[in-house]
Amino acid sequence: KAGVTQTPRYLIKTRGQQVTLSCSPISGHRSVSWYQQTPGQGLQFLFEYFSETQRNKGNFPGRFSGRQFSNSRSEMNVSTLELGDSALYLCASTRTEGTTGELFFGEGSRLTVL
Amino acid sequence: GNSVTQMEGPVTLSEEAFLTINCTYTATGYPSLFWYVQYPGEGLQLLLKATKADDKGSNKGFEATYRKETTSFHLEKGSVQVSDSAVYFCALRLNNQGGKLIFGQGTELSVKP
Repeated sequence: KAGVTQTPRYLIKTRGQQVTLSCSPISGHRSVSWYQQTPGQGLQFLFEYFSETQRNKGNFPGRFSGRQFSNSRSEMNVSTLELGDSALYLCASTRTEGTTGELFFGEGSRLTVL
Repeated sequence: GNSVTQMEGPVTLSEEAFLTINCTYTATGYPSLFWYVQYPGEGLQLLLKATKADDKGSNKGFEATYRKETTSFHLEKGSVQVSDSAVYFCALRLNNQGGKLIFGQGTELSVKP
């Protein structure tokens, strides 16, 4: 079956702009989580959505937001981009909430802020 | 707070050498523990997991045992291959935290022929 699909794979923005990233989970998966990966901070949890509701949120400023649609696809948005937002943004999906099940990760969207 | 600490890399080994990557954690309650691997240019793949104390996770020749008394989950492989070259991440998930994983900083492994 198809894996987690993230678009776009690469993008370049300038400071002050905003960006929207998309994630399509594995069919049947209802939970989508987002992570930011940088060389300095490593992998950090942004937020998780389950059945269109935000379940968990990490310690990121309000410029980072997300949403989930009824088909479980998710988007995350970063407004007023800063240089430090340059990162690989990873999306992961899992079947249900609160389980010990596996998270399946996409290949990521690499954002460069100039 | 909850955290994961891994040994720093990069780790460079010769093919067929023994691998150990140390991982210790701090957590409230009884977390599930995971090892993920990231190959160049790719996302993360689950390598193995353990959900309770003394569980041993294993996959592709890699093993890790959930040690509650030492709060550790060290990754081992008896004989590494060049194809094992990647970045390895140890992670924990607290009960009922769904998609929220807390990751270590990652350990880069390079295996030379």
